[in-house]
Amino acid sequence: QSALTQPASVTGSPGQSITISCTGTSGDVGGYNFVSWYQEHPGKVPKLMIYDVNKRPSGVSYRFSGSKSGNTASLSISGLQAEDEADYYCSSYTNSRNSYVIFGGGTKLTVL
Amino acid sequence: QVQLVQSGAEVAKPGASVKVSCETSGYTFTGYYLHWVRQEPGQGLEWMGWINPNSGVTKYAQRFQGRLTLTRDTSITTVFLYLGRLRSADTAVYYCARVGVGATDFEFWGQGSLVTVSS
Repeated sequence: QSALTQPASVTGSPGQSITISCTGTSGDVGGYNFVSWYQEHPGKVPKLMIYDVNKRPSGVSYRFSGSKSGNTASLSISGLQAEDEADYYCSSYTNSRNSYVIFGGGTKLTVL
Repeated sequence: QVQLVQSGAEVAKPGASVKVSCETSGYTFTGYYLHWVRQEPGQGLEWMGWINPNSGVTKYAQRFQGRLTLTRDTSITTVFLYLGRLRSADTAVYYCARVGVGATDFEFWGQGSLVTVSS
């Protein structure tokens, strides 16, 4: 099963806002509100930033928000900070017999 | 607090098997599914399978069917990953992960276990 589609890279300046997209199908992103987003710094463990499309776990900054339209989910980060520079992965429940959760290929966010 | 502590790095030869453990604490072991996710060097995340620690029921990604076995020992609140018929492409960091409030949000992660497959 193919991974969810994310842009390979996104760039922003401190203080700006960016959005990362995550495109799937009606069998995953479009069919269920079980989209999550993870932040991964080099050599570190992935950190859950958004779950169930638009919910933030305790302790995650309000600058991170999620949304979904059709088969595409999005992660938005406002007021970019240098510490936001990381890889970001989306994931979704999938109704495929071949899997249960499918991840995106990841997006490298660079804060210039 | 929820903690997932994994076993250390492993080196295995092609064709061999590897075992990785994930010791849990800080919550009711049988109350949450445990998942395994791997990350090949420089690559993205890949879901491998889950185990229901209460019943022992498992689900595996099709691409690992026949090679992957997940088990648990409730007496020591630990889950185990066994991956057989290893090949070089299995070189990766293997993570155990527990969901948070939902069914697919991996809020808690082990520190990762590097498995290197090399002759």
